Amino acid sequence: SQTIHQWPATLVQPVGSPLSLECTVEGTSNPNLYWYRQAAGRGLQLLFYSVGIGQISSEVPQNLSASRPQDRQFILSSKKLLLSDSGFYLCAWSTIGTAGRTQYFGPGTRLLVL
Amino acid sequence: KNEVEQSPQNLTAQEGEFITINCSYSVGISALHWLQQHPGGGIVSLFMLSSGKKKHGRLIATINIQEKHSSLHITASHPRDSAVYICAVNSGGSNYKLTFGKGTLLTVNP
Repeated sequence: SQTIHQWPATLVQPVGSPLSLECTVEGTSNPNLYWYRQAAGRGLQLLFYSVGIGQISSEVPQNLSASRPQDRQFILSSKKLLLSDSGFYLCAWSTIGTAGRTQYFGPGTRLLVL
Repeated sequence: KNEVEQSPQNLTAQEGEFITINCSYSVGISALHWLQQHPGGGIVSLFMLSSGKKKHGRLIATINIQEKHSSLHITASHPRDSAVYICAVNSGGSNYKLTFGKGTLLTVNP
């Protein structure tokens, strides 16, 4: 069966510090991978998605970047965190296909930037 | 105006009641998703549908493509159903991007 892992579960970081959040998927090959952010009181927002190794699409201009160094690994990074980067970050995966696909979400990382 | 609108924003029910949550969207879609977010934050996909109706246990999801509207029903609601229910759509020709509603907070009291 497929499993998706995210770490860390919670993180408190000072403004200006770097960030690295990791997501890994087990039990599937060549998944589509996604990073979402849920800010306090707001809905989910797609930040990045990837259809293959090294292929990253950004949905919104921001202080963050993403990388996919391996087929089942997706990393969210920042060189210098801003207060507005606080939120709940979710990684998700789906199978590839020509129609909408069910997305499976990881447990999430709560990030608080102080 | 958001592309995906949910109503109500908040819903409180007594155990055993029939629950309906509505979702309207303003764009062409290839699929609509209903998600459940537990108090701890974890998100579970409940349904993905592009037409008709799907049922899983006490949950039923329907969609009317012509009216651009979907409903999520919960029969015989239970306190463990308390969660945020989120509607999302694949739109704009994208099979990858989901556009989300803001969610409906459901509280079921014993």
